[in-house]
Amino acid sequence: AQTVTQSQPEMSVQEAETVTLSCTYDTSESDYYLFWYKQPPSRQMILVIRQEAYKQQNATENRFSVNFQKAAKSFSLKISDSQLGDAAMYFCAPRTSGTYKYIFGTGTRLKVLA
Amino acid sequence: EPEVTQTPSHQVTQMGQEVILRCVPISNHLYFYWYRQILGQKVEFLVSFYNNEISEKSEIFDDQFSVERPDGSNFTLKIRSTKLEDSAMYFCASSRLAYNEQFFGPGTRLTVL
Repeated sequence: AQTVTQSQPEMSVQEAETVTLSCTYDTSESDYYLFWYKQPPSRQMILVIRQEAYKQQNATENRFSVNFQKAAKSFSLKISDSQLGDAAMYFCAPRTSGTYKYIFGTGTRLKVLA
Repeated sequence: EPEVTQTPSHQVTQMGQEVILRCVPISNHLYFYWYRQILGQKVEFLVSFYNNEISEKSEIFDDQFSVERPDGSNFTLKIRSTKLEDSAMYFCASSRLAYNEQFFGPGTRLTVL
């Protein structure tokens, strides 16, 4: 992937509500992996969820799920039942097979309102 | 739970000085990485390292940069002659295998004066 676009610099969600963060990417590769990382104010990035491009089924991890649209090159993250601890910067990071590097988006800052 | 650790958390240096940033990857991981994030900008890949060799590097990783695994636990990034534009947060990461997810350290904030 050469470019990654996270079009929402900042999002807010009410506690217990659902929010979707968008990510689109540009790649000519067919084999790649997609990751969402969370960076809380302490600044250590933590993996939220991953998706292999060859899998049609969307990944789910507890309250976090993705909507992966391969043809549209879209990889959005849905957070259900938002909690105060979900407040963080969220980065979308594809990685193509055959390379080691993540290409990070600019991030979306998520605020959770009590 | 095992974590990647980095020292120091903040390093201040004068332009032209050499700095070494240190990382201790997760113990059974085989692949190691450095990324950097200039304030307000994207996280950018610098280099990956496996089996005591650089496996991939970006155009940012020029001759001023070098990496080393001096012993069985540490992984270091050296900047030979720092420039003002090297001021950034530097993140170390490691992964068990090449295509596993990468685990990130808390970062070292480098300030070049």
